[in-house]
Amino acid sequence: DTGVSQDPRHKITKRGQNVTFRCDPISEHNRLYWYRQTLGQGPEFLTYFQNEAQLEKSRLLSDRFSAERPKGSFSTLEIQRTEQGDSAMYLCASSLGLAGGRGGNEQFFGPGTRLTVL
Amino acid sequence: AQSVTQPDIHITVSEGASLELRCNYSYGATPYLFWYVQSPGQGLQLLLKYFSGDTLVQGIKGFEAEFKRSQSSFNLRKPSVHWSDAAEYFCAVGAPPIGFQKLVFGTGTRLLVSP
Repeated sequence: DTGVSQDPRHKITKRGQNVTFRCDPISEHNRLYWYRQTLGQGPEFLTYFQNEAQLEKSRLLSDRFSAERPKGSFSTLEIQRTEQGDSAMYLCASSLGLAGGRGGNEQFFGPGTRLTVL
Repeated sequence: AQSVTQPDIHITVSEGASLELRCNYSYGATPYLFWYVQSPGQGLQLLLKYFSGDTLVQGIKGFEAEFKRSQSSFNLRKPSVHWSDAAEYFCAVGAPPIGFQKLVFGTGTRLLVSP
């Protein structure tokens, strides 16, 4: 068990550029979450996958944001036409959901990707 | 909708002294409650969780927390703080086990440990 990994750890980009982040969850975990954390705040939920299906998206996730989990394993989060307000730490978490929708509340977090938009 | 309040933005504790970090939640039923710790530039590490049963839960690194339904609180405690405990602490609430389960976090409490 190597834990949740995220790549890159840091990304600096210019306003208007597109960026993509990757998250590799704990291998047997079927649930994957993306959160965003701005300075001085707690993480805020962005979106959630059960296997490859994206089941929930926050209103924080504007049309410029898209997330995928194509084979129910790793996930990518893309931000198009970045804005300075997108500067934040993007955290990925995974959990194991059981049959019937039970379980899965213990989420394990990755180290995050810190995005700076200049 | 769930919400979490951590009323203390910063707390300074002397090394070896006891610690209590406050957390109040709002939720219509018995929630799932968590405390996470975050060191600078790092992700979140789970300290402890409450799902049901005994309202006093033990976690890692000598931390414990007590669920008090009547006060809608889940305060984190440690009897003797070590310098390595300096970090940011987040309380979070989750929905019941059926269905979608995002976590809602408080704004965090930054713990400073003085020598």
